[in-house]
Amino acid sequence: DAKTTQPNSMESNEEEPVHLPCNHSTISGTDYIHWYRQLPSQGPEYVIHGLTSNVNNRMASLAIAEDRKSSTLILHRATLRDAAVYYCILRDPQNNAGNMLTFGGGTRLMVKP
Amino acid sequence: EPEVTQTPSHQVTQMGQEVILRCVPISNHLYFYWYRQILGQKVEFLVSFYNNEISEKSEIFDDQFSVERPDGSNFTLKIRSTKLEDSAMYFCASSGGRANSDTQYFGPGTRLTVL
Repeated sequence: DAKTTQPNSMESNEEEPVHLPCNHSTISGTDYIHWYRQLPSQGPEYVIHGLTSNVNNRMASLAIAEDRKSSTLILHRATLRDAAVYYCILRDPQNNAGNMLTFGGGTRLMVKP
Repeated sequence: EPEVTQTPSHQVTQMGQEVILRCVPISNHLYFYWYRQILGQKVEFLVSFYNNEISEKSEIFDDQFSVERPDGSNFTLKIRSTKLEDSAMYFCASSGGRANSDTQYFGPGTRLTVL
């Protein structure tokens, strides 16, 4: 799977929007962009995923650049509970026999009250 | 909402001892995984399991490790002779299949401490 680059950490104020960037310049045409997060002392948790179009769900929105070389996870109103490490992961189901997720270092999001 | 459960939450063992970590995946899921996270480090893939056999394993998953689905509900990770460097959080995950949209659902983890 292609590599992703994320900032090590970001800060946000509670109830403000947060934009978490991810660069994936070597993305292939069949790579899906997945976002997971890991709250303190918990297992990773799925957030959202997409291929080409922007996606929305109850947790977040995913904005994917037209050339797909970058994407942004958007939390519309950060809460204290959103403080976590956010992982941007590329997954190509056609070339990933074990269906594994490859986690990088992620972005540690800190939310200030 | 269905969830993945893991037992025990914390296991302390002596170096050289065998440990078995247990997981109950989501009931209708077909794919099962083990990951580990050494304190302060990345989450690392260990093994994936489908149709009663290993689909893929990482370099970490050497001969000391084995997985089993002994019945219709449990999925276990066995470490035959634990080493100090096996101390980590071990996460079990499951997914419904290999489709593009498949989400992996993770358990809360087992903290393994090897003394």
